[in-house]
Amino acid sequence: AQKVTQAQTEISVVEKEDVTLDCVYETRDTTYYLFWYKQPPSGELVFLIRRNSFDEQNEISGRYSWNFQKSTSSFNFTITASQVVDSAVYFCALSGPFSGGYNKLIFGAGTRLAVHP
Amino acid sequence: AAGVIQSPRHLIKEKRETATLKCYPIPRHDTVYWYQQGPGQDPQFLISFYEKMQSDKGSIPDRFSAQQFSDYHSELNMSSLELGDSALYFCASSLGGQGASSYNEQFFGPGTRLTVL
Repeated sequence: AQKVTQAQTEISVVEKEDVTLDCVYETRDTTYYLFWYKQPPSGELVFLIRRNSFDEQNEISGRYSWNFQKSTSSFNFTITASQVVDSAVYFCALSGPFSGGYNKLIFGAGTRLAVHP
Repeated sequence: AAGVIQSPRHLIKEKRETATLKCYPIPRHDTVYWYQQGPGQDPQFLISFYEKMQSDKGSIPDRFSAQQFSDYHSELNMSSLELGDSALYFCASSLGGQGASSYNEQFFGPGTRLTVL
């Protein structure tokens, strides 16, 4: 079965601190995709990144960086120099093909990040 | 660029009433996904359609039904509403092609917030 675990329920940091959000996944598929979404208080889901299982290169986008390690089934997300606007719930998600080749997303429970001034 | 449209954005219903949520995918997208996000929860996959046929089914209650129409828009019908149905309902759309090695990115709508009183 497929599963995503985000062990950190809530994280609180002070502005300008670096923060890492952990994500561990389980799947038997050899081809799969990993995602991070941001959900601000307004409720919409904001896509941040997608990674496929064959690309283990780390990625950096501005203050955001992602570390994908197949050996530990982890896809961690780091925000450098956090800002108040980063306050949101962050979801890690996994997608197939799974059986039948359909791409439903399986989300982790989410990590609520609060960045204080 | 056109995005996924969901209507209504907010809906308030009484227990045991019915509700219909609508989703208009991005033009030329032929696949629609429905997700339910309860308060403080992660989004849970309900059901998906590809080319007007149900393609996958998740934890959708029997009281709910959905379909995709010839113009590819989709409707989620919810009957005998319960307090526990109060949630944010997301629709996502993607371009078809469900091969085992393919991935087609899902684009999320803004969600419909359903409140059952």
